[in-house]
Amino acid sequence: QSVLTQPPSASGTPGQRVTISCSGSSSNIGSNYVYWYQQLPGTAPKLLIYSNNQRPSGVPDRFSGSKSGTSASLAISGLRSEDEADYYCAAWDDSLSGVVFGGGTKLTVL
Amino acid sequence: QLQLQESGSGLVKPSQTLSLTCAVSGGSISSGGYSWSWIRQPPGKGLEWIGYIYHSGSTYYNPSLKSRVTISVDRSKNQFSLKLSSVTAADTAVYYCARGLTGRKGRFDPWGQGTLVTVSS
Repeated sequence: QSVLTQPPSASGTPGQRVTISCSGSSSNIGSNYVYWYQQLPGTAPKLLIYSNNQRPSGVPDRFSGSKSGTSASLAISGLRSEDEADYYCAAWDDSLSGVVFGGGTKLTVL
Repeated sequence: QLQLQESGSGLVKPSQTLSLTCAVSGGSISSGGYSWSWIRQPPGKGLEWIGYIYHSGSTYYNPSLKSRVTISVDRSKNQFSLKLSSVTAADTAVYYCARGLTGRKGRFDPWGQGTLVTVSS
């Protein structure tokens, strides 16, 4: 059972907008930055969003992050087949004194 | 650009110690402002943070693994290492090393390609 809760799966058709949620608590998302990672099949995770809503250079602006209270969301607009991957949220947890990850969401592009 | 590469034993017997090394290239591990992390992923499952070490040598470990984990740095070789003792089958996973950013706990970039460690007799 992960400290951060994500839906196990999400799906959409090409061109659609998809949102993936990440629910936590006051000790993690509520008081610290949220990060999102994309893991393409058979590869290492890659930083997708940092500090709640910032994109590293090279990440398309189709990807956006937001945070409200103890929850965060990753939105992908203009969905493409190459977006099919697992997505993970992460944050520092003050109570556990450690980094916690969500269980991951498998995104399928139909 | 910074690159990380994991290496070590791919097969470890139960109760023994898992040892991995992460070689850093394209930058110095002694650079201030960064941390150096280990993260693992059991087959078909999600990510689990193991711990990290700052350039100062300070370490932070996942409380659930703390009693068994040691992360250290070898500045002369520009690499850092992971030791996990008393392993069981539950420690079978792909182990990744990654660079973090001081003050931005949870930010890992870039990552190594990962190395599979199997615990089996």
